[in-house]
Amino acid sequence: DTAVSQTPKYLVTQMGNDKSIKCEQNLGHDTMYWYKQDSKKFLKIMFSYNNKELIINETVPNRFSPKSPDKAHLNLHINSLELGDSAVYFCASSHNADTQYFGPGTRLTVL
Amino acid sequence: AQSVTQLGSHVSVSEGALVLLRCNYSSSVPPYLFWYVQYPNQGLQLLLKYTTGATLVKGINGFEAEFKKSETSFHLTKPSAHMSDAAEYFCAVISYNQGGKLIFGQGTELSVKP
Repeated sequence: DTAVSQTPKYLVTQMGNDKSIKCEQNLGHDTMYWYKQDSKKFLKIMFSYNNKELIINETVPNRFSPKSPDKAHLNLHINSLELGDSAVYFCASSHNADTQYFGPGTRLTVL
Repeated sequence: AQSVTQLGSHVSVSEGALVLLRCNYSSSVPPYLFWYVQYPNQGLQLLLKYTTGATLVKGINGFEAEFKKSETSFHLTKPSAHMSDAAEYFCAVISYNQGGKLIFGQGTELSVKP
């Protein structure tokens, strides 16, 4: 009964490929987030959706496109992957922008 | 704009010793503050949070933090370190005027020596 789950846990791919990371929460929360953790472990928000509506869109290349088919899911699609996209991507969810609960992360390696 | 600064990217203590991880924040509005822990190759787990009310907040695994408005601090402490406490610790403030995003400090890696 995992609260926030992500798939895949590890993703290794070549430069130029397109890949997706999926996130699901079963907490009944209305807000979901994507964070990026770089090699120095620094965490930064990328996107946030509230009830399927985009509310935060930080300065992220437009190669990154979030999609929220429903309140329980927020997927991240990345086009034309670059070396610098290698990082750990975390999904999180919250109710009314309160405490955020994080998924286990997806480690993306671009070769 | 809100920000968080964690003093010390790496802290090392002996098992049984006091743990003190420092966090200072900057916020133009009353802050909601959080401490998260990240064990190796895992996600972030909430340790504790301060919203309003009592300034001494108790969390999981024996950790606690005190909100001090005058010092703009929210330091994390634990009286006696255990080997299992070795992890990365993140202090964060929530930015309600920016869609509720969490703004994180740089993180502090805690090592516990036997």
